[in-house]
Amino acid sequence: DSGVTQTPKHLITATGQRVTLRCSPRSGDLSVYWYQQSLDQGLQFLIQYYNGEERAKGNILERFSAQQFPDLHSELNLSSLELGDSALYFCASSVAGHPNSPLHFGNGTRLTVT
Amino acid sequence: AQSVTQPDIHITVSEGASLELRCNYSYGATPYLFWYVQSPGQGLQLLLKYFSGDTLVQGIKGFEAEFKRSQSSFNLRKPSVHWSDAAEYFCAVGAPGLGQLTFGSGTQLTVLP
Repeated sequence: DSGVTQTPKHLITATGQRVTLRCSPRSGDLSVYWYQQSLDQGLQFLIQYYNGEERAKGNILERFSAQQFPDLHSELNLSSLELGDSALYFCASSVAGHPNSPLHFGNGTRLTVT
Repeated sequence: AQSVTQPDIHITVSEGASLELRCNYSYGATPYLFWYVQSPGQGLQLLLKYFSGDTLVQGIKGFEAEFKRSQSSFNLRKPSVHWSDAAEYFCAVGAPGLGQLTFGSGTQLTVLP
């Protein structure tokens, strides 16, 4: 058990809808990362937060947004969903948010857009 | 920007045989290098990491990896594979100044009885 909790485990929704994915980091970790895993794109970095502030942005679409709250949990909001957004979304956390801080991954949220 | 290549999409080995998974990276200096394993339905678990120093690093579950600067490689090895090692393996690179890791496309390992 990595200590990172992601909810829900599965999500099925229709095109055009909006969903929110939630992540609780490992106790003591200040940084949260979101990754998208799909068959054609592999593991793609979306965004990183450190202690409530955005630290780095990757291949995140404008339809997607995220935030990290004062209690350090994070939410990833996906709107105007398209079929191509179907993927496994992982949250990971690390202590310091530096590249030499190993990431601890949750088990992911599998999103299916129909 | 850094990049990672895992040339083997799928590898099949027999239980008890040795294993080597290849990873090549592209980065101007010495990056931070990691190997992660993903079992079905699970998140990624860290196997081992290399930052500096001894180029042969030991990880969990009997895995080791060797950093070769001249070849820009960080290959993962295990002397004797167990059926429970069947999973997908990801090499990742991090660089100073960048918070996130860049992952390779993964190598799926199948272990035959």
